[in-house]
Amino acid sequence: NAGVMQNPRHLVRRRGQEARLRCSPMKGHSHVYWYRQLPEEGLKFMVYLQKENIIDESGMPKERFSAEFPKEGPSILRIQQVVRGDSAAYFCASSATQNNEQFFGPGTRLTVL
Amino acid sequence: QKEVEQNSGPLSVPEGAIASLNCTYSDRVSQSFFWYRQYSGKSPELIMSIYSNGDKEDGRFTAQLNKASQYVSLLIRDSQPSDSATYLCAVNRGRSGSRLTFGEGTQLTVNP
Repeated sequence: NAGVMQNPRHLVRRRGQEARLRCSPMKGHSHVYWYRQLPEEGLKFMVYLQKENIIDESGMPKERFSAEFPKEGPSILRIQQVVRGDSAAYFCASSATQNNEQFFGPGTRLTVL
Repeated sequence: QKEVEQNSGPLSVPEGAIASLNCTYSDRVSQSFFWYRQYSGKSPELIMSIYSNGDKEDGRFTAQLNKASQYVSLLIRDSQPSDSATYLCAVNRGRSGSRLTFGEGTQLTVNP
């Protein structure tokens, strides 16, 4: 499967726990983007990364959220001390170049109890 | 004013008809435009991209772009029940950033 891969597909956390979402881009893609879709709302940009660099994090909440894309391995979106309002679908997308088409993974659906 | 606005819908068309989806954007420096289809509970699927003024056709889909009017549309010919989904318009500002800004989506239902 050469598509964007995300895991886990579903994640349940209790308030105060940490959530780690992983994303492996399409083969040959080095640009990764994270988006969040809250229930009954549109897709919102969170962060744009290339290998070992955060290019644009203007959509990230100031606290508790962080992202990385290490030299080896998948991109990680980390949410510390989750709250119920973090319950959403988190989508990763990748592209071959900076302004090229973005292809989405299946998403991780986070539920905070 | 929202950065990307779509006709709110829901839109309902009979099978075999043409479905017309519209989108306007506010930022004149926008350079790339995309249409995604999202089935309920699934991830967005890219169906069309358009970068220059005019029409772009791909099978039953035609995207139209008018940068002067800041308007982009998607036509679906010979609509099928399987086309029933939410259609998302997305805009990329190009050189000044690679983030996609999405509209709220238009829910399309194609009735058999």
